[in-house]
Amino acid sequence: KNEVEQSPQNLTAQEGEFITINCSYSVGISALHWLQQHPGGGIVSLFMLSSGKKKHGRLIATINIQEKHSSLHITASHPRDSAVYICAVRIRMYSGGGADGLTFGKGTHLIIQP
Amino acid sequence: GAGVSQSPRYKVAKRGQDVALRCDPISGHVSLFWYQQALGQGPEFLTYFQNEAQLDKSGLPSDRFFAERPEGSVSTLKIQRTQQEDSAVYLCASSRSLGAVNTEAFFGQGTRLTVV
Repeated sequence: KNEVEQSPQNLTAQEGEFITINCSYSVGISALHWLQQHPGGGIVSLFMLSSGKKKHGRLIATINIQEKHSSLHITASHPRDSAVYICAVRIRMYSGGGADGLTFGKGTHLIIQP
Repeated sequence: GAGVSQSPRYKVAKRGQDVALRCDPISGHVSLFWYQQALGQGPEFLTYFQNEAQLDKSGLPSDRFFAERPEGSVSTLKIQRTQQEDSAVYLCASSRSLGAVNTEAFFGQGTRLTVV
């Protein structure tokens, strides 16, 4: 079972629609990242959050620590928003050492049609 | 440079060939991570450096994979005797953080390795 689950896996929407991508995780975390990956592999960090809500332009990210759930919202979606959106968590380590890398979901492939 | 730089962007290797992938992190970033991303999958952790020290290599899939960061800046991921299942995008990320302190990770464009 993946520690980070995203839904939906694929999403096609019309320009202007409100988009929601969900991320659920099963472990204790110290932070959650939303990342955007365009064709060609480059990854851009959109948000890093450990509580509450963050907003940047048309993007909004929320996290509910108790429910182990986060959502990424895109308002007034545009074809240039088409990309893979990846949720990644930094697992909280109770003891010293161990992996400090991110654990990633499989991504949500978003296509916004004009 | 302004961001994390990886080279080459694309690499085609014949099965059995050794390859070396380079990562130039953002100047001053202490932490450096390597990830492997198979087609259609999310990235998976390979190894982590804090300065020149390789603190975690638990994600390296076999002893054919080796990573180093001798001077605490540039890192090289080496794959010996490449096999077809090594075909993937290899991503490098760096951050200012030390260990568990939460700071943003910056990713390179990745190196797409195809083993034929």
